[in-house]
Amino acid sequence: KNEVEQSPQNLTAQEGEFITINCSYSVGISALHWLQQHPGGGIVSLFMLSSGKKKHGRLIATINIQEKHSSLHITASHPRDSAVYICAVIPRGSNYKLTFGKGTLLTVNP
Amino acid sequence: NAGVTQTPKFQVLKTGQSMTLQCAQDMNHNSMYWYRQDPGMGLRLIYYSASEGTTDKGEVPNGYNVSRLNKREFSLRLESAAPSQTSVYFCASSEEGNFRGPQHFGDGTRLSIL
Repeated sequence: KNEVEQSPQNLTAQEGEFITINCSYSVGISALHWLQQHPGGGIVSLFMLSSGKKKHGRLIATINIQEKHSSLHITASHPRDSAVYICAVIPRGSNYKLTFGKGTLLTVNP
Repeated sequence: NAGVTQTPKFQVLKTGQSMTLQCAQDMNHNSMYWYRQDPGMGLRLIYYSASEGTTDKGEVPNGYNVSRLNKREFSLRLESAAPSQTSVYFCASSEEGNFRGPQHFGDGTRLSIL
């Protein structure tokens, strides 16, 4: 079983819809990253969080450390949000180890 | 506004050939990383450099070597390329170590080993 599981693997939405992507992990962590990979391959760091909630524009990331779960929400989705969204965790006590999920492919249709 | 620059963007090698992937960042970051990305596998850390003058193995270091030439540059070398090393390679950097800060990624190098 992977240490980091994302769901769904694929998600198709209509423009304007509210999107939720989930990330569950099986180990204690010190922090969690959300990344976005564009269709052309470039990767952008969206959030790093260790508790609570962070917001940037239409993107919101939350984490529940006790439940070992994080969600990435996109409000008022737009076709330009189409990308692969990747969750990655820093296991507690690890030495420079970042464990990645396999990603969620989001397609937003106009 | 270069950020992290990787060269080359594409490369085809024959089994047994050697090559070096170059990475440079202009953000004065302390830490640099090399990842590989394979279909269905997600990103995996090959090597990292917490600071200038230090390098350490990541999850999949076999078949690779690295050099942190200075604070800006971190190169990845394949001494004897194998088909299993066909992948997309990403270099990244961060101001803080231990993955505590956001990582800035290069555009990737698509490497095929025949």
